[in-house]
Amino acid sequence: DAGVIQSPRHEVTEMGQEVTLRCKPISGHNSLFWYRQTMMRGLELLIYFNNNVPIDDSGMPEDRFSAKMPNASFSTLKIQPSEPRDSAVYFCASSLGTGQQPQHFGDGTRLSIL
Amino acid sequence: AQSVTQPDIHITVSEGASLELRCNYSYGATPYLFWYVQSPGQGLQLLLKYFSGDTLVQGIKGFEAEFKRSQSSFNLRKPSVHWSDAAEYFCAVGAHTSWGKLQFGAGTQVVVTP
Repeated sequence: DAGVIQSPRHEVTEMGQEVTLRCKPISGHNSLFWYRQTMMRGLELLIYFNNNVPIDDSGMPEDRFSAKMPNASFSTLKIQPSEPRDSAVYFCASSLGTGQQPQHFGDGTRLSIL
Repeated sequence: AQSVTQPDIHITVSEGASLELRCNYSYGATPYLFWYVQSPGQGLQLLLKYFSGDTLVQGIKGFEAEFKRSQSSFNLRKPSVHWSDAAEYFCAVGAHTSWGKLQFGAGTQVVVTP
């Protein structure tokens, strides 16, 4: 079975550029989560969706960050404009949307902003 | 709201020795509990989960965890570690009404020495 698919795996870009990270959740999963992981701050939940609707975006650090889920099989996390401090590994995870169900993680996108 | 504490940031263990990673949680009801492992450059992989029944749960890679309600703990154990067990380990708790949101601990980094 296909797991959570994230693209690209690596992204290197210059500050000020727009960055778009993509995620395809596991088919049938109705909750989707975006995380950011850094050495300094660890694993942070940015935003999550249930049935394509954003439930909680309180973890989004600034207005430069936005996320969408136009349908059940696709989500994007966008940073515009990007800054060097946005450099991190960004993970997408999906689940069946109840507390007893585990989240399944993608392999992440390693983002470097120069 | 639920919370998770992993008291040990870093543990060093010899190959072949036993390993125990501590996890304490705070939650008003019976929690849903998970352990994940993250190898370098990878996403988080589910090791095991607990939500009811037998308090000793078996997971993948030879790991087990024991739920102790009286101590609010869910410690992870392995009788004999292998060099490939070097990774970061995360404990997480899920709530009954959360759309699948998990609260993660800060993680414990495990180093395995020859």
